[in-house]
Amino acid sequence: EVQLLESGGGLVQPGGSLRLSCAASGFTLTNYAMSWVRQAPGKGLEWVSLISDTGTFIKYADSVRGRFTISRDTSRNTLFLQMSSLRAEDSAIYYCARDFSAGVGYIHYFGSWGQGDLVTVSS
Amino acid sequence: ETVMTQSPATLSLSPGDSATLSCRASQSVSNSRLAWYQQKPGQAPRLLIYAATTRATGVPARFSGSESGAVFTLTINSLQSEDFAVYYCQQYNDWPLSFGGGTKVQIK
Repeated sequence: EVQLLESGGGLVQPGGSLRLSCAASGFTLTNYAMSWVRQAPGKGLEWVSLISDTGTFIKYADSVRGRFTISRDTSRNTLFLQMSSLRAEDSAIYYCARDFSAGVGYIHYFGSWGQGDLVTVSS
Repeated sequence: ETVMTQSPATLSLSPGDSATLSCRASQSVSNSRLAWYQQKPGQAPRLLIYAATTRATGVPARFSGSESGAVFTLTINSLQSEDFAVYYCQQYNDWPLSFGGGTKVQIK
């Protein structure tokens, strides 16, 4: 069974940093592209970042480029999102999401999601 | 950047009714690279449809997707109580990946 478990969220001051983790089980990160998707309170979904199955292709939304870094530890089968220079508008539930299909380049929609982790940026 | 616009924002219907949800892309979405998700309060989204018309495993046949040019449609026939939720479309044709703003299907 595929499981994704996010952790690391919480309250942080504007300008601060936070690292989210997503522990994956039931599959291997090296077989699937992974994304972070966020949802501000009461709002819609916003794709944030993607790392390919090979780990060599990485993309970011304009809203986070230069401030967020996606990475993974294949030995721990864990995905990360390092967030810095946080702003109030970064406050959201952050979901990690797995591509539906393994090893299919340029086809990125999400068949498995974690339950999300809340990040609140406030002084 | 492809902007996805969903309409209506809210749909008020009764159980047994049919729902028609629209998703319009600001530019061409090639190869039907469009997915639909359902999200219930307090839950993560769930994939319903991909490639514009293909139902994901376990999704009831009352859910169907269609495409006409840059407009994609999700139809839910004979709404069940568990179908009242928010629905999002997502294009995966170009970067950045983008979602529509959502359509809330609520009980009338």
